Amino acid sequence: EAGVAQSPRYKIIEKRQSVAFWCNPISGHATLYWYQQILGQGPKLLIQFQNNGVVDDSQLPKDRFSAERLKGVDSTLKIQPAKLEDSAVYLCASSAYDPPVLHFGNGTRLTVT
Amino acid sequence: GDSVTQMEGPVTLSEEAFLTINCTYTATGYPSLFWYVQYPGEGLQLLLKATKADDKGSNKGFEATYRKETTSFHLEKGSVQVSDSAVYFCALHTGGFKTIFGAGTRLFVKA
Repeated sequence: EAGVAQSPRYKIIEKRQSVAFWCNPISGHATLYWYQQILGQGPKLLIQFQNNGVVDDSQLPKDRFSAERLKGVDSTLKIQPAKLEDSAVYLCASSAYDPPVLHFGNGTRLTVT
Repeated sequence: GDSVTQMEGPVTLSEEAFLTINCTYTATGYPSLFWYVQYPGEGLQLLLKATKADDKGSNKGFEATYRKETTSFHLEKGSVQVSDSAVYFCALHTGGFKTIFGAGTRLFVKA
């Protein structure tokens, strides 16, 4: 089975610029997650989708972050405008069943200068 | 709110040493508990899990027992190898749909 695909792998931008990340989950997985992992910390949930509906976005900074999951499959996460503190690895994961086992992609490392 | 606390790293051991990484949690209800591992250059992956009290999860020589009375899920391995060098994350999943991760513990194993 193909794993979770993410792109790009690395991105360097200047503050106040915008950036977008893409994720393709494992086929058939209804639940998709975006996590932010700052260096030295554990992953923090930004947003969770069940099919194409949002289950939890309580920790998503909605003034600058947005995410969508079209047709319940691929997802994009956007940051506009970026701040220095957004420098982190952005992880996408997907799961099926309950309790869920999360399958992670390799992440996108974002550096904001 | 729900949370996970792990022992701080890094933990440095010699090959064949005994490993314990402590994990305690705070949660309402009856969470499922997980250990995920991140090897250098790779994504996080499930190491083991336990879904109810007194369950023992095991994989690749690692074990952890779900202790409700002490709200703990400590990770153990009897004899570590250099290839076990990685970052280990304890996590819980509650009925509120959310999977919450600890801060991670980095393990270095010396030959």
